[in-house]
Amino acid sequence: AQRVTQPEKLLSVFKGAPVELKCNYSYSGSPELFWYVQYSRQRLQLLLRHISRESIKGFTADLNKGETSFHLKKPFAQEEDSAMYYCALSPGGFKTIFGAGTRLFVKA
Amino acid sequence: GAGVSQTPSNKVTEKGKYVELRCDPISGHTALYWYRQSLGQGPEFLIYFQGTGAADDSGLPNDRFFAVRPEGSVSTLKIQRTERGDSAVYLCASSLTGGARVGETQYFGPGTRLLVL
Repeated sequence: AQRVTQPEKLLSVFKGAPVELKCNYSYSGSPELFWYVQYSRQRLQLLLRHISRESIKGFTADLNKGETSFHLKKPFAQEEDSAMYYCALSPGGFKTIFGAGTRLFVKA
Repeated sequence: GAGVSQTPSNKVTEKGKYVELRCDPISGHTALYWYRQSLGQGPEFLIYFQGTGAADDSGLPNDRFFAVRPEGSVSTLKIQRTERGDSAVYLCASSLTGGARVGETQYFGPGTRLLVL
């Protein structure tokens, strides 16, 4: 079965601390993986995708096929990073499967 | 330009009633997606349109749910005989060509919050 698991519902860190949002997936093929973010009172938006190997707002994510993980990392968290983060998998065919999300709270 | 818009923003109905939810995609986007997001969960795929046709409706939970996109632009999600379990936020997204296989960006609307009493 195709599944995305985000084990943490809530992650709280202090400003300036490193942050890692965990994501594990279940898929037998070569997945397309994404991180979406939803800031307070804003709509869901794409943060980054693994095929682009990009860094957005200081966030990076590396696909580890051996561990079937796609964790989101940032070395120094900022208060404006506080938001809901969703890991997502596209197995092809245009369907996107989302995890349940992790709420990141960055404390001053 | 304008992003994806959805109306109404909130809808309260009674069990057994019929509801229609509307989505206006970004102009020129051929692909349109509907998702349902229940409390504490991520968005759950419902249906995908490429132009006027439903290319993948495998996420529709049962035959009470139906969606149309007659002119390849605006889409309407229709729910018959609503049940309390249908209460959720219904999200619409659009993308330029529908190339999800290569990670095409989906642009989301603000959602319609449906409450079935």
